[in-house]
Amino acid sequence: EVQLVESGGGLVQPGGSLRLSCAASGFPFSSYWMHWVRQAPGKGLVWVSRINSDGSSTSYADSVKGRFTISRDNAKNTQYLQMNSLRAEDTAVYYCAREGDFWSGYYSFDYWGQGTLVTVSS
Amino acid sequence: QSALTQPPSASGSPGQSVTISCTGTSSDVGGYNYVSWYQQHPGKAPKLMIYEVSKRPSGVPDRFSGSKSGNTASLTVSGLQAEDEADYYCSSFAGSNNFVLFGGGTKLTVL
Repeated sequence: EVQLVESGGGLVQPGGSLRLSCAASGFPFSSYWMHWVRQAPGKGLVWVSRINSDGSSTSYADSVKGRFTISRDNAKNTQYLQMNSLRAEDTAVYYCAREGDFWSGYYSFDYWGQGTLVTVSS
Repeated sequence: QSALTQPPSASGSPGQSVTISCTGTSSDVGGYNYVSWYQQHPGKAPKLMIYEVSKRPSGVPDRFSGSKSGNTASLTVSGLQAEDEADYYCSSFAGSNNFVLFGGGTKLTVL
């Protein structure tokens, strides 16, 4: 069974940093692109970042470029999101999501974690 | 880049059909056959319902169908059931810079 479990969320002051983790199991983690998607309270989904299967290529939404860094450790079946210079508008539930493949669709997210809440407030 | 445009709400009675639209541009919805639809119940993670415009993942009922015409994609839910009441989000590949855009979401109410 595919499982994605996020951790690392919490309350942080504006300008602070936080690192999110996403532990994956039940599938060959090193074969899949992975993403982070966030959802502010009461709002819609917003794509944040993605990393390819071996970690050599990354992309970011303009709103987080230069502040967030995505990475992965395939030996630990885990991806990360390092978030620096946090702002109030970064407050959201952050979801880890697996991108589909030939069988379940490229550029779609076939499995999601339960999410971890990040609150940026003084 | 702006989010894709969805109606904020839609509704239908049990057994009826409802269609939710998702409008983008030629740089996203109209330019690629990589439109997906997600269902999200309150407090839960999104669930993939449709990928690549019209394909259903294993386990998704065939009451859910997707299509696209030009810059607008659509999700149709036929034979509405109470458990279909949820928020629905479309998404589209938008090129290597913006990667994936989501719609603002549509709250589907089963009357």
